[in-house]
Amino acid sequence: EAGVAQSPRYKIIEKRQSVAFWCNPISGHATLYWYQQILGQGPKLLIQFQNNGVVDDSQLPKDRFSAERLKGVDSTLKIQPAKLEDSAVYLCASSLALYGYTFGSGTRLTVV
Amino acid sequence: GDSVTQMEGPVTLSEEAFLTINCTYTATGYPSLFWYVQYPGEGLQLLLKATKADDKGSNKGFEATYRKETTSFHLEKGSVQVSDSAVYFCALSLQTGANNLFFGTGTRLTVIP
Repeated sequence: EAGVAQSPRYKIIEKRQSVAFWCNPISGHATLYWYQQILGQGPKLLIQFQNNGVVDDSQLPKDRFSAERLKGVDSTLKIQPAKLEDSAVYLCASSLALYGYTFGSGTRLTVV
Repeated sequence: GDSVTQMEGPVTLSEEAFLTINCTYTATGYPSLFWYVQYPGEGLQLLLKATKADDKGSNKGFEATYRKETTSFHLEKGSVQVSDSAVYFCALSLQTGANNLFFGTGTRLTVIP
């Protein structure tokens, strides 16, 4: 089966600019996650969707981060405006059940 | 809160050496425990898992046993290969709620020929 697709693979922006990441989960996976992985740290959950509804966004910095999952399939994560500390790898994952997590390769964001 | 503490790296071993990466956890309730691996340039992959106390997860020669009494889930392999070079993450998930994963900071393993 096809994996979780993410784009772009890399992105470099200046602080205060905006950026968007895209994720296409595995077909049929109802649950979609966005994680932030800062260099030297483990991934941290930003937001979880079940179909097109938000299950958990308690760790999402809502003053600058937003995410949506239209039609319960693809998802976009946006940062506006970006800060230096947002430099990280943004991972998308999807699952059909708890033990069926599949991660994408991630988008590496560098904010300069 | 719920958290995972991993042995800090990096770890460098010679081929065929024995590997142990320590992992301990703090959690409310009864978590499921996981080891994920991230090879260079690739995404996170599930290596093995255990869902209850005394369960042993195993895959590709790696093993880890869920020890409730010591709140640990140490990763072991008897004989590492160069191809095992990667970053290893211990993680937990609560059985209830949103089921998201809490990750440790990762341990980079380098195996030299």
